[in-house]
Amino acid sequence: GDSVTQMEGPVTLSEEAFLTINCTYTATGYPSLFWYVQYPGEGLQLLLKATKADDKGSNKGFEATYRKETTSFHLEKGSVQVSDSAVYFCALSAAGNKLTFGGGTRVLVKP
Amino acid sequence: GAVVSQHPSRVICKSGTSVKIECRSLDFQATTMFWYRQFPKQSLMLMATSNEGSKATYEQGVEKDKFLINHASLTLSTLTVTSAHPEDSSFYICSARQGGTEAFFGQGTRLTVV
Repeated sequence: GDSVTQMEGPVTLSEEAFLTINCTYTATGYPSLFWYVQYPGEGLQLLLKATKADDKGSNKGFEATYRKETTSFHLEKGSVQVSDSAVYFCALSAAGNKLTFGGGTRVLVKP
Repeated sequence: GAVVSQHPSRVICKSGTSVKIECRSLDFQATTMFWYRQFPKQSLMLMATSNEGSKATYEQGVEKDKFLINHASLTLSTLTVTSAHPEDSSFYICSARQGGTEAFFGQGTRLTVV
């Protein structure tokens, strides 16, 4: 079945550092790929998405490119802020529109 | 984006009792709602999908008699954990979607069964 694997956290960074969270997937067909973010005490929010190979999703300085050849959708941000501290979930949606999530990566940005 | 409200955010109940969790879409009509369960430091696991006015579709391994899902209106779905036991303690999250658009998530409910 479909699955998503993302790097385990926590990831601790200093402000203005470069952030990368790796995400790889296994799916039949051509899934849509997503990154969700969960801030402390809040629900999940869609951060960005890509619906086909080579698409790049971007939002709030975050980017991720749909790489079909490596079945990856790594999340990157060039300069993180303390306010980026959160849990990040990679997810895919294939047939049936169900979301399959990775395990989540907690990111802590220190001033 | 649209708002999905989940209530309560935390609940503690005694073993053997039932507890109901509500999921409301506040500013849109949710034709489909999803219920997830999240164990500590683990992924969100889809429990069931419900479409308004019809029976929920449960994922393999989820006991439908234990986790009762009702989606009686386009703005409300409920999850009732019946005869709860300590192993049912978990974080439950709902999401709601209108048609084929983006799914919006509730804040989650932390259930502790003592």
